[in-house]
Amino acid sequence: DTAVSQTPKYLVTQMGNDKSIKCEQNLGHDTMYWYKQDSKKFLKIMFSYNNKELIINETVPNRFSPKSPDKAHLNLHINSLELGDSAVYFCASSKGQGMKQYFGPGTRLTVT
Amino acid sequence: GENVEQHPSTLSVQEGDSAVIKCTYSDSASNYFPWYKQELGKGPQLIIDIRSNVGEKKDQRIAVTLNKTAKHFSLHITETQPEDSAVYFCAAQIGDTDKLIFGTGTRLQVFP
Repeated sequence: DTAVSQTPKYLVTQMGNDKSIKCEQNLGHDTMYWYKQDSKKFLKIMFSYNNKELIINETVPNRFSPKSPDKAHLNLHINSLELGDSAVYFCASSKGQGMKQYFGPGTRLTVT
Repeated sequence: GENVEQHPSTLSVQEGDSAVIKCTYSDSASNYFPWYKQELGKGPQLIIDIRSNVGEKKDQRIAVTLNKTAKHFSLHITETQPEDSAVYFCAAQIGDTDKLIFGTGTRLQVFP
């Protein structure tokens, strides 16, 4: 009965590679988000989508590209991975703007 | 820019004591303030939230207070238990956007 799920849970890869993280929510929510949590636990929004439309795009390098095939899914594709991309990435969803946000379990990305 | 300050960064209490975590935000247009609990290896879990039209909200052992004039809000946990040990994050929604700005987190340890 997982509400917001992410795959994979762990991802270890080398610099320069391209990787994707998948997110799915079964809450019927219209809005989904990607957050990055760095090694100091600082949590920062990267993107938000509402009904497959990009709403928030923080100052994230264009190597990061979110894709929403439908409103239950929001995937994150990262090109040319760098050491500084190592972090935990969280997907979240909500009913809409200003509503409660529910987080997934996270994907720990390690770039070597 | 928008900012949320959170104190203290670490807090140790004896089981049964109360714990208080304080946050200050900068955007006077903020009107939604959630609190999240993050256990090791898991995603942030929403534990309580408050909107700007109320000054206090309570849910069993957890309460949140909001002072809009001073731009302060606080989390109060009474009768703490070892399972309350986690990292707690405050957040503030920015204006009319869907963007949450998170505090830097408080590591709470409850000793039996």
